Amino acid sequence: GNSVTQMEGPVTLSEEAFLTINCTYTATGYPSLFWYVQYPGEGLQLLLKATKADDKGSNKGFEATYRKETTSFHLEKGSVQVSDSAVYFCALSGDQGGKLIFGQGTELSVKP
Amino acid sequence: GAGVSQSPSNKVTEKGKDVELRCDPISGHTALYWYRQSLGQGLEFLIYFQGNSAPDKSGLPSDRFSAERTGGSVSTLTIQRTQQEDSAVYLCASSLEVGRNSPLHFGNGTRLTVT
Repeated sequence: GNSVTQMEGPVTLSEEAFLTINCTYTATGYPSLFWYVQYPGEGLQLLLKATKADDKGSNKGFEATYRKETTSFHLEKGSVQVSDSAVYFCALSGDQGGKLIFGQGTELSVKP
Repeated sequence: GAGVSQSPSNKVTEKGKDVELRCDPISGHTALYWYRQSLGQGLEFLIYFQGNSAPDKSGLPSDRFSAERTGGSVSTLTIQRTQQEDSAVYLCASSLEVGRNSPLHFGNGTRLTVT
């Protein structure tokens, strides 16, 4: 079945450091890929998405490129801020009614 | 505009009691999803609705769990004879339509604690 694997956290970075959170997936067909973010005490928010191979999703300085050849959707940001501290979830949606299959989540902590 | 609204935000109940969790989706969204978030289990899919029908209820953990949706809008998730392992945050999400390109919009969840 479909599945998503993320790098384990927590990830601790200094402000302005470069961020990469790895995400790989297993899926039949052509899934759409998403990153969601959960800030402390808040609900899940859509961060970015990509719906086909080689698409790049971007938002708030974050980027991720849909790589079909490596079945990956790594999240990157060039310069993180303290306010980026949150849990990040990679997810896919395949041919199963639009439901999302989530990775385990990666906690990011950015120190001043 | 209004987002997905869930109530109550917190619920503490005794083992063996029944609980009902409510979800008000974004107006006009035809698809509605229930997930459970717990430590060590991540985000687990429970059930989704297209209109008032539930094409996929494969994630419901046991027959103590049920859900319904009426009028293509509000949904309730019912847990009968609650157990301690039911303690988790129950998340509801809605999307404009069913399909892989329609992003889910999540509510803030109901934190359920079974004592």
